[in-house]
Amino acid sequence: QVQLVESGGGVVQPGGSLRLSCAASGFTFSSYGMHWVRQAPGKGLEWVAFIRYDGSNKYYADSVKGRFTISRDNSKNTLYLQMNSLRAEDTAVYYCAKDPKQWLDRGYYMDVWGKGTTVTVSS
Amino acid sequence: EIVMTQSPATLSVSPGERATLSCRASQSVSSNLAWYQQKPGQAPRLLIYGASTRATGIPARFSGSGSGTEFTLTISSLQSEDFAVYYCQQYNNWFTFGPGTKVDIK
Repeated sequence: QVQLVESGGGVVQPGGSLRLSCAASGFTFSSYGMHWVRQAPGKGLEWVAFIRYDGSNKYYADSVKGRFTISRDNSKNTLYLQMNSLRAEDTAVYYCAKDPKQWLDRGYYMDVWGKGTTVTVSS
Repeated sequence: EIVMTQSPATLSVSPGERATLSCRASQSVSSNLAWYQQKPGQAPRLLIYGASTRATGIPARFSGSGSGTEFTLTISSLQSEDFAVYYCQQYNNWFTFGPGTKVDIK
């Protein structure tokens, strides 16, 4: 079955870095765009980043632009989120999510979600 | 940026009753609107996309309607497993979520 499993979360000091991973299985990973979405404690959902199926185009929310980098390794069926210059307001559960459309440049909605990984930015 | 609003913030409903949730966009998103359900400690689950198309495996008691700036999610007869938070999301111009509506037991 289609599955997404995030890892790499943890506690990091303000200004620090962390890299999240998302292992995909059960579908042709290289054919679909992928998203990262986050949820701060007790808050709603916030879209973070999207990457095209082949990794050639990437899009970011203004709140993370210049600090976060989304990437993918289609040979390993894995999505990444490199997070630098972390701030307290980046504290959240980070979900990776699959876009339902194949081979397109833009994203749509999220049809499959992982269980999330928790990032805490605190001194 | 397209801003999404949802009302009410909390909806108290008895099992078996109908629930109607609203979502409004600050500008037209055509039919590029999705609904998600999230239970405590779980990831969101896609319910509706294209404003009115149920996702795979979603029961028929869930229905979506609307276009442009006004959208509705209706749960025809609430079951115990439906008490959760519901989010709308537009994907017409980037991606933004509404703040959510919590459906709890009356």
